[in-house]
Amino acid sequence: QQQVKQSPQSLIVQKGGISIINCAYENTAFDYFPWYQQFPGKGPALLIAIRPDVSEKKEGRFTISFNKSAKQFSLHIMDSQPGDSATYFCAASRDNFNKFYFGSGTKLNVKP
Amino acid sequence: GAVVSQHPSRVICKSGTSVKIECRSLDFQATTMFWYRQFPKQSLMLMATSNEGSKATYEQGVEKDKFLINHASLTLSTLTVTSAHPEDSSFYICSARDFRGGVKETQYFGPGTRLLVL
Repeated sequence: QQQVKQSPQSLIVQKGGISIINCAYENTAFDYFPWYQQFPGKGPALLIAIRPDVSEKKEGRFTISFNKSAKQFSLHIMDSQPGDSATYFCAASRDNFNKFYFGSGTKLNVKP
Repeated sequence: GAVVSQHPSRVICKSGTSVKIECRSLDFQATTMFWYRQFPKQSLMLMATSNEGSKATYEQGVEKDKFLINHASLTLSTLTVTSAHPEDSSFYICSARDFRGGVKETQYFGPGTRLLVL
């Protein structure tokens, strides 16, 4: 059973546009929701993370929107750049020190 | 920020041999490390949780006798793929848990190790 479902599988956005990636979870015990960026042949790098006590968190061009009642969260990349082209993974964890359950990933391609 | 290293970055071995992958936390002590496996264009799948000084906890479906994990110190965990076969070829990634207060991240990921079994 997949704990975290992620969509879309791939995404093409023009430079300067907004990239939106969505995730949904079932386990209400999850209380830490990070987003990771991964380039080919590299390990994941943390972009931004949120906890259920807030509905939105913004760091630079990256924003997480969190809907606790719907058990959904999304990543918005504003002013998308070609350098943002990578695979993005959402994840969820219980008490944030526990193991992560990853979404299936979204391959983002930002066209110049 | 904290750094986690892996060695080797890539390894090619013959079928039937054993391969050891090291995961080190370079500037913090990690009582817990995680080992993930990632197939091409797929997500990270947790294989096991490694706790310093105790036996690793394996996820369902992961063969503990095939994937030996040792966490002998607070900065080093090793994954040994025993009697490797071509189907074990994959990208193996470790992460280390940071319990220090005030840090941004709770798990730092290593750069990964590409294993190719011929």
